[in-house]
Amino acid sequence: GQNIDQPTEMTATEGAIVQINCTYQTSGFNGLFWYQQHAGEAPTFLSYNVLDGLEEKGRFSSFLSRSKGYSYLLLKELQMKDSASYLCAVRDSNYQLIWGAGTKLIIKP
Amino acid sequence: NAGVTQTPKFRVLKTGQSMTLLCAQDMNHEYMYWYRQDPGMGLRLIHYSVGEGTTAKGEVPDGYNVSRLKKQNFLLGLESAAPSQTSVYFCASSYESGSGYNQPQHFGDGTRLSIL
Repeated sequence: GQNIDQPTEMTATEGAIVQINCTYQTSGFNGLFWYQQHAGEAPTFLSYNVLDGLEEKGRFSSFLSRSKGYSYLLLKELQMKDSASYLCAVRDSNYQLIWGAGTKLIIKP
Repeated sequence: NAGVTQTPKFRVLKTGQSMTLLCAQDMNHEYMYWYRQDPGMGLRLIHYSVGEGTTAKGEVPDGYNVSRLKKQNFLLGLESAAPSQTSVYFCASSYESGSGYNQPQHFGDGTRLSIL
């Protein structure tokens, strides 16, 4: 079967750095997405990786290793507004997105 | 630019009732999707459409029907609601997935549906 694993919850301090991991086992691979979802709101797109390596977008970076079936989202200079759930999704061989259950990130002052 | 709009935002139904959830997008996207999101689980695809007049089953299609009569609209129907269908429903749209590999899905604000 297809599976996306993420930690359920993480806590970090304002101003610090946090890394959210995602491992996947899917039938085929056509890219990996990270989304942010604030409580009660819609998921919003953060980043996309299809080749191995690091993609940087301001305070957010995402890394991919296809051989290890592994990705992480790195958030720097954490702000209180970064408190949200972070969803990892993999596009499989049918170009459908398989979603992880999400990681709830709690930021403390 | 409204993006993806879902109506209604909240609804309470009794078991056995029927209803239709509406989704409209103004980005001229070919692909549209209906997901459900339940606590502790990832988004699960119910049905999707790759263009006007086409629909296909996703991971959890039972108990739902869809229609895509116009490119900008995607309707999700519950013919006979069951308590197991209590969930948050999200509609999403994207450019075609084939050639535009990195095109993300854009989501509506969701419909919170409770079945008593």
